[in-house]
Amino acid sequence: GAVVSQHPSRVICKSGTSVKIECRSLDFQATTMFWYRQFPKKSLMLMATSNEGSKATYEQGVEKDKFLINHASLTLSTLTVTSAHPEDSSFYICSATGINMNTEAFFGQGTRLTVV
Amino acid sequence: QKEVEQNSGPLSVPEGAIASLNCTYSDRGSQSFFWYRQYSGKSPELIMFIYSNGDKEDGRFTAQLNKASQYVSLLIRDSQPSDSATYLCAVNTDKLIFGTGTRLQVFP
Repeated sequence: GAVVSQHPSRVICKSGTSVKIECRSLDFQATTMFWYRQFPKKSLMLMATSNEGSKATYEQGVEKDKFLINHASLTLSTLTVTSAHPEDSSFYICSATGINMNTEAFFGQGTRLTVV
Repeated sequence: QKEVEQNSGPLSVPEGAIASLNCTYSDRGSQSFFWYRQYSGKSPELIMFIYSNGDKEDGRFTAQLNKASQYVSLLIRDSQPSDSATYLCAVNTDKLIFGTGTRLQVFP
């Protein structure tokens, strides 16, 4: 299957700082990328959907000014958690699909964010 | 009603038995359906996808789809302890929506 690389895998940051998470498709053009958040023992919650070159579409209840998503190219999307707080500590996962939306989504390895 | 529903489990089965995981969805327009396995602290990994009504087999795994009943299932034959994980059902409309997952425990 296709490869999606997500970095960093783990990050610890202080409250009030910003953290950027990168999601790269290594061997295909990702026309759409999805960002999920997962709390312990809970399912993946879709935060936003981003299409290359356009603004991300955020799910209800997700603050777009806090979770900045940029999808500047067909191989890279970034999620920036701004002014992070302890309640933002979670497992963040990106996934990407190609041109055909019916194909499976390929997941990055996930990023464990801990805000102290 | 949640868009994708799964029993959270845990579902406990003995080694060698068949594990049956179920999922229902609310959007009749859903076109494709996926089963992912997720180990603790890891990202989900795709097991199978299915688009058409009926059964689809891949090794020990069989996915079953019934669009009229809005129901999709995953059967795992000859379950192994290494199959112990959380199994996520996902449904694709214009975005991939996940169920809460079913935790499977296979005991020796």
